Amino acid sequence: AQSVTQLDSQVPVFEEAPVELRCNYSSSVSVYLFWYVQYPNQGLQLLLKYLSGSTLVESINGFEAEFNKSQTSFHLRKPSVHISDTAEYFCAVSPGGYQKVTFGIGTKLQVIP
Amino acid sequence: NAGVTQTPKFQVLKTGQSMTLQCAQDMNHNSMYWYRQDPGMGLRLIYYSASEGTTDKGEVPNGYNVSRLNKREFSLRLESAAPSQTSVYFCASSPRDEQFFGPGTRLTVL
Repeated sequence: AQSVTQLDSQVPVFEEAPVELRCNYSSSVSVYLFWYVQYPNQGLQLLLKYLSGSTLVESINGFEAEFNKSQTSFHLRKPSVHISDTAEYFCAVSPGGYQKVTFGIGTKLQVIP
Repeated sequence: NAGVTQTPKFQVLKTGQSMTLQCAQDMNHNSMYWYRQDPGMGLRLIYYSASEGTTDKGEVPNGYNVSRLNKREFSLRLESAAPSQTSVYFCASSPRDEQFFGPGTRLTVL
């Protein structure tokens, strides 16, 4: 069994400030880790993923996440947020392959002008 | 490519009515999924299909049935709708790891 914990349901942050969205997981097997983003009234879309290799992964719009096996964490960071980053962010874990994905409850990022 | 499409976008039902939510993908993905999204509860898996011809229950299957009609299409049926099934429903497909989501169906059961 696997589970995902997103401790913060809402994170307000001023524009151009840094942000960290926290994600912790538990699993009895090796996992793949994902961050998805959901803009208002849309479906989820992949932001970044960790499958293997380098523990630091980056997205095309400046987000990054680091896989920390010892702390079972996959926190999402951005050094300077923009108004357009306002969205809900979901952390997800999968044992890989054609397996079920487990999603966290989501963190709403509100960027304040 | 249209990606993952869902119909309808919105639906209002009365308690006890039935309906089928349609989902189709044109990316030749093996796996398909149905989720519901409720405030404060994230996404919960209703049913999934790892490949054509197979379906399995997810976390919250009660009150739903599914059909994997072919590789492209995966439908979700509510036989007797209940107010507790008011939610936003998302279909997703996956080639292996990453999931691709449709735009969702907003369902209200009165």
